[in-house]
Amino acid sequence: GENVEQHPSTLSVQEGDSAVIKCTYSDSASNYFPWYKQELGKGPQLIIDIRSNVGEKKDQRIAVTLNKTAKHFSLHITETQPEDSAVYFCAAIGAGGTSYGKLTFGQGTILTVHP
Amino acid sequence: GAVVSQHPSWVICKSGTSVKIECRSLDFQATTMFWYRQFPKQSLMLMATSNEGSKATYEQGVEKDKFLINHASLTLSTLTVTSAHPEDSSFYICSASPLGERDSPLHFGNGTRLTVT
Repeated sequence: GENVEQHPSTLSVQEGDSAVIKCTYSDSASNYFPWYKQELGKGPQLIIDIRSNVGEKKDQRIAVTLNKTAKHFSLHITETQPEDSAVYFCAAIGAGGTSYGKLTFGQGTILTVHP
Repeated sequence: GAVVSQHPSWVICKSGTSVKIECRSLDFQATTMFWYRQFPKQSLMLMATSNEGSKATYEQGVEKDKFLINHASLTLSTLTVTSAHPEDSSFYICSASPLGERDSPLHFGNGTRLTVT
């Protein structure tokens, strides 16, 4: 099945700096890669996603890049703000074997933005 | 749009009792919903896939007789934790995507915090 690895597990930045979180996946047939932000005691909230036919996608301060050859994708947050502090999860939807149609999450990154 | 609602948001129960958690898609229909479990400071782990009108499919290691899933309509799936034990205490989260959009964004509920005493 699909396996998603996420790094780093914790990330601490100063307000205004950029933050980058990286993920790798194992199923070369996976074609959809969402990123979620989870605040304490709440469910994950989709913040951006990318499909395998696109290399990069941007939405204001958030961008995601995808390298299908290397099977890795990254989340970039620019001009970070304290309210960006949360746990971020990458995910992939497997497209082969027993992973088909299922969302597999990375281990999560605790992002802390210091004022 | 695409709101998923879970109820209750938290529940405390005694060991040996059963607890039912509801997951509703408020403004769309979903033939498939997913149930996840998340332990403190860990990632979300898929427990089972709930299929409207048919049996749920469970991930390896998840006891189907302990975690009963019913998906009786296109907008409601329920997870019942039977004979709950303290080790079942966790954050249970459901997700769904609109009908016919298999690879579309999965929308998550706000989770149910279960504490078994």
